[in-house]
Amino acid sequence: AQSVTQLGSHVSVSEGALVLLRCNYSSSVPPYLFWYVQYPNQGLQLLLKYTSAATLVKGINGFEAEFKKSETSFHLTKPSAHMSDAAEYFCAVSESNAAFGKGITLSVRP
Amino acid sequence: DVKVTQSSRYLVKRTGEKVFLECVQDMDHENMFWYRQDPGLGLRLIYFSYDVKMKEKGDIPEGYSVSREKKERFSLILESASTNQTSMYLCASSLHGRGPYEQYFGPGTRLTVT
Repeated sequence: AQSVTQLGSHVSVSEGALVLLRCNYSSSVPPYLFWYVQYPNQGLQLLLKYTSAATLVKGINGFEAEFKKSETSFHLTKPSAHMSDAAEYFCAVSESNAAFGKGITLSVRP
Repeated sequence: DVKVTQSSRYLVKRTGEKVFLECVQDMDHENMFWYRQDPGLGLRLIYFSYDVKMKEKGDIPEGYSVSREKKERFSLILESASTNQTSMYLCASSLHGRGPYEQYFGPGTRLTVT
């Protein structure tokens, strides 16, 4: 069975600091992995996805994620946080239908 | 751009009412999904459909039903609304179920049942 784990529910960083949001997955087949972002009062939108073409995946708004099979991880990073990055972030794995993590709220301090 | 629209952004209903949430997508996607989103619980799949007139239960189907008469439209029905169904409801669509096919989400309907 597929699942993802996002540890913690809230991350707070200063503007300009590194953003690191963690995601670990479980899947019985080679996974397809996704990160989505949800801004307040909106639906989710795709940030990036891993489809086995490259282990380092670049997405929109300067985000990237690295697939590490040995660690069953797909952590999301951004070198320098911006105030507009404040949102909720969801990791998802797709074996059959997608399974979503519980989400992490990112706050950015001025 | 794919567009997924939901019939209402905010809805207030009374306990026992029958509630219809409508979702329409304009990209000829095969799969459509209904989720509910609650704080601390993330997204939980209620029902999904991989073809017209086809439906499958998700993780939390109790108290809900769905209808898909046309490919572009997927409706969620609360037969008799209860206060524990107060939540944010998100509709999504994707080209296919399995594989590198991301889901496209509507803006959500925040339902309050009083």
